[in-house]
Amino acid sequence: GENVEQHPSTLSVQEGDSAVIKCTYSDSASNYFPWYKQELGKRPQLIIDIRSNVGEKKDQRIAVTLNKTAKHFSLHITETQPEDSAVYFCAASKPSGTYKYIFGTGTRLKVLA
Amino acid sequence: SAVISQKPSRDICQRGTSLTIQCQVDSQVTMMFWYRQQPGQSLTLIATANQGSEATYESGFVIDKFPISRPNLTFSTLTVSNMSPEDSSIYLCSAGLSQETQYFGPGTRLLVL
Repeated sequence: GENVEQHPSTLSVQEGDSAVIKCTYSDSASNYFPWYKQELGKRPQLIIDIRSNVGEKKDQRIAVTLNKTAKHFSLHITETQPEDSAVYFCAASKPSGTYKYIFGTGTRLKVLA
Repeated sequence: SAVISQKPSRDICQRGTSLTIQCQVDSQVTMMFWYRQQPGQSLTLIATANQGSEATYESGFVIDKFPISRPNLTFSTLTVSNMSPEDSSIYLCSAGLSQETQYFGPGTRLLVL
């Protein structure tokens, strides 16, 4: 079945630096890739997503890139701020009727002031 | 996005009892899903709640343990039956507003003694 690997599991960066989180998926039929941010004790919040017909998408300090050939996608956060500290999850889904998600294992990002 | 609420927000239950979690969306949605999130872990899909028909369960989850109802396009319930301490977890519902994009409820934190 579909599998999504996510790396690294933890990431510490200095405030103002960039952070990159990478995910690899196994099912070539996957065509939608959302990223969620989950702060401690809160619900996962959708921060950005990308569809397979697009190679890159940007929203202010956040960008996502997709390499369909290699079956991996990455989240890039520039000019990190302490409020970016959270757990980030990637996910993959395919048009199977229900668009259910397979989540990655999560990355705990710490932005050090 | 939509406003998604869950009740209860948390509960402490005795083993052998059952708890029903409610999920309410403020607009009609096609898809609703139920997830489990163990402390410090990723999200695991329990089932897809289908309106007007039986839920579709993922591997490792069965209807007798996690019965689900979906009486209309804005509401769903998940029951955790015959609970044991291993069922202690956060249970989240999500709603699919578009075909692909899911938004999450705040979660129900369950502790089974």
